[in-house]
Amino acid sequence: DSGVTQTPKHLITATGQRVTLRCSPRSGDLSVYWYQQSLDQGLQFLIQYYNGEERAKGNILERFSAQQFPDLHSELNLSSLELGDSALYFCASSVATKGAGGDTEAFFGQGTRLTVV
Amino acid sequence: TQLLEQSPQFLSIQEGENLTVYCNSSSVFSSLQWYRQEPGEGPVLLVTVVTGGEVKKLKRLTFQFGDARKDSSLHITAAQPGDTGLYLCAGAGRSSASKIIFGSGTRLSIRP
Repeated sequence: DSGVTQTPKHLITATGQRVTLRCSPRSGDLSVYWYQQSLDQGLQFLIQYYNGEERAKGNILERFSAQQFPDLHSELNLSSLELGDSALYFCASSVATKGAGGDTEAFFGQGTRLTVV
Repeated sequence: TQLLEQSPQFLSIQEGENLTVYCNSSSVFSSLQWYRQEPGEGPVLLVTVVTGGEVKKLKRLTFQFGDARKDSSLHITAAQPGDTGLYLCAGAGRSSASKIIFGSGTRLSIRP
């Protein structure tokens, strides 16, 4: 158990709909990352929040948005869903560990499998 | 734009053989991690390398960080079917506020 919780685990919805994916990071982790993984593909970075503020943006569509709340949980909102949005969506949280130069390690949730029909 | 390229993309070998997976970038990273992902699960961190030239061993897995901190390799000795999975390298900056960039992954299949 990584300590990162994602809900729901599975989601089936129709094209054109809107869904919200939720992520609770590990206790104490300030950074939350969202990734999309299509079938048999690598992880595509969508967006990162750090302590409530957007920190970095990847290839995130305009139909998608995210936020991080004061309690550090995060939500990823996907709207006007298309068939091609079907994928696994992962949330990860991180903390800088102490060490030479400092390093950042990500801990992943189990993911939300989104199926758009 | 920081990119990490992994090679090979796919690898299918016989149990007992050795293999090496490579992760290369034109960018310098403060640290580099290797993750392993099984189908339907989230990636699980295997190791983090921080110092240029660093070598870390995890049983039959040996990880090396390049001297210039731009590349890394994962060597598996005497591969076993349980090693099957998607191996991902990821580069990160210095702080918990830094972005983590993932490579495209190497899908490894070990045949019994």
